[in-house]
Amino acid sequence: GESVGLHLPTLSVQEGDNSIINCAYSNSASDYFIWYKQESGKGPQFIIDIRSNMDKRQGQRVTVLLNKTVKHLSLQIAATQPGDSAVYFCAENNAGNMLTFGGGTRLMVKP
Amino acid sequence: GAVVSQHPSWVICKSGTSVKIECRSLDFQATTMFWYRQFPKQSLMLMATSNEGSKATYEQGVEKDKFLINHASLTLSTLTVTSAHPEDSSFYICSASPGQVPDTQYFGPGTRLTVL
Repeated sequence: GESVGLHLPTLSVQEGDNSIINCAYSNSASDYFIWYKQESGKGPQFIIDIRSNMDKRQGQRVTVLLNKTVKHLSLQIAATQPGDSAVYFCAENNAGNMLTFGGGTRLMVKP
Repeated sequence: GAVVSQHPSWVICKSGTSVKIECRSLDFQATTMFWYRQFPKQSLMLMATSNEGSKATYEQGVEKDKFLINHASLTLSTLTVTSAHPEDSSFYICSASPGQVPDTQYFGPGTRLTVL
């Protein structure tokens, strides 16, 4: 059967508040980063991406920040809604089309 | 745009059965397709990378004779779990890349395999 996995770190926020999800990546040569959202029982959904020649990129209600000096990536969600509840994964691209995924963070939005 | 489908979404089978999972890119041509496995509360584990018309590249520790991958066209890849056993029960997810470098992967909805 399936093995028992590690507990994901969880971020709990109040509806309407801003959320910040952090990710540390490992390879300083990585040049492309993506945030994915995964709801229970579903595949990951692309949220936003950023290339290494940028340090900030904004989408609709989401902002990704990249700090290459400390190899840190963050996802900011403005005015968090119950529908934002999910597990969020960062992924780094460092070899052509290969992605390396972070461990994931569970976002829980309290009404 | 960039929709990837998987079929079936859930399959339950007896031990020893072979199960085929299809992954299709619906509105773009996928130069490369990827197969992942995910256990509960864990991140995605890459199993193999496949390019259309060539043999798949398997990650270390993944048995290629156990997990057969065929990338028959630019919109279809299949994963066959041969002689499935309970330890193969998992959530299998495919992704597809349009072929730019660097590239975004678009994921399918996943297939839950339960082997009794």
